[in-house]
Amino acid sequence: SQQGEEDPQALSIQEGENATMNCSYKTSINNLQWYRQNSGRGLVHLILIRSNEREKHSGRLRVTLDTSKKSSSLLITASRAADTASYFCATDLSNDMRFGAGTRLTVKP
Amino acid sequence: EAGVVQSPRYKIIEKKQPVAFWCNPISGHNTLYWYLQNLGQGPELLIRYENEEAVDDSQLPKDRFSAERLKGVDSTLKIQPAELGDSAVYLCASSPGLANEQFFGPGTRLTVL
Repeated sequence: SQQGEEDPQALSIQEGENATMNCSYKTSINNLQWYRQNSGRGLVHLILIRSNEREKHSGRLRVTLDTSKKSSSLLITASRAADTASYFCATDLSNDMRFGAGTRLTVKP
Repeated sequence: EAGVVQSPRYKIIEKKQPVAFWCNPISGHNTLYWYLQNLGQGPELLIRYENEEAVDDSQLPKDRFSAERLKGVDSTLKIQPAELGDSAVYLCASSPGLANEQFFGPGTRLTVL
C-alpha cells in the first residue's frame, strides 16, 4: 500500500518557471525523501528531510516539511526542459519506505 | 563507482512460466530492496534485506514469489508461475544502511503474455 500522495498528478509549465509539488501522508515518519524518475529509468534520490527539520535546499531544489499537517512540498526553481520527469515522495517509518504515485512534470522549452 | 546492476533489462514470458531477476547492489551496501512498479504508479516494496536476512517481506506474495540474498551481496527474485497481472517493472535498490537514501537500478520490465 502507498502512504504518500502527491499533488498534482500532472503539472505542465514553461522553461524558467517554478514548479511546486506537494506530498501528503498519513502516519508519523522518521524522514521523507524525494526522488525523480525519467521515463524508462530507475529512480534518482534528490533530497532527504528528517522529521525534526523544516526546510532543506539543494541547488535549485527546496523542500519543506510540516509534520503537524503531515505534508511536504518540493519546489524546483528556474525549471529546465531536463527537469521533465516524474517526482515521487517517499515516507520512511521504522525503515518501512512507502512511495506515492508521483507527479508527472513536463517543462516545455 | 558502478551503480546498482540489474538483469535482464527486459523479459517476455508466457503465463505459468517461471522467471528470475538478478540484482547486484552497490559494493558495501548492506540493505537491499526489491520493488514492483506498475505503469503510472510509485514503487511498492516487495522485500527488504539487511545483509542476508529478509527483515520485511510482508508485501511479498509468497505463494508464487520468492527471493534470496546469499552471502548478503547479490539477490535474486523469482516468480513461479507467472500470471498476467505480474507484468510490471521490478526495481532493485540498495542503501548503505537504514534511514538513508536508496540507489536504484534501471529495473527489469516484465511482460507476461
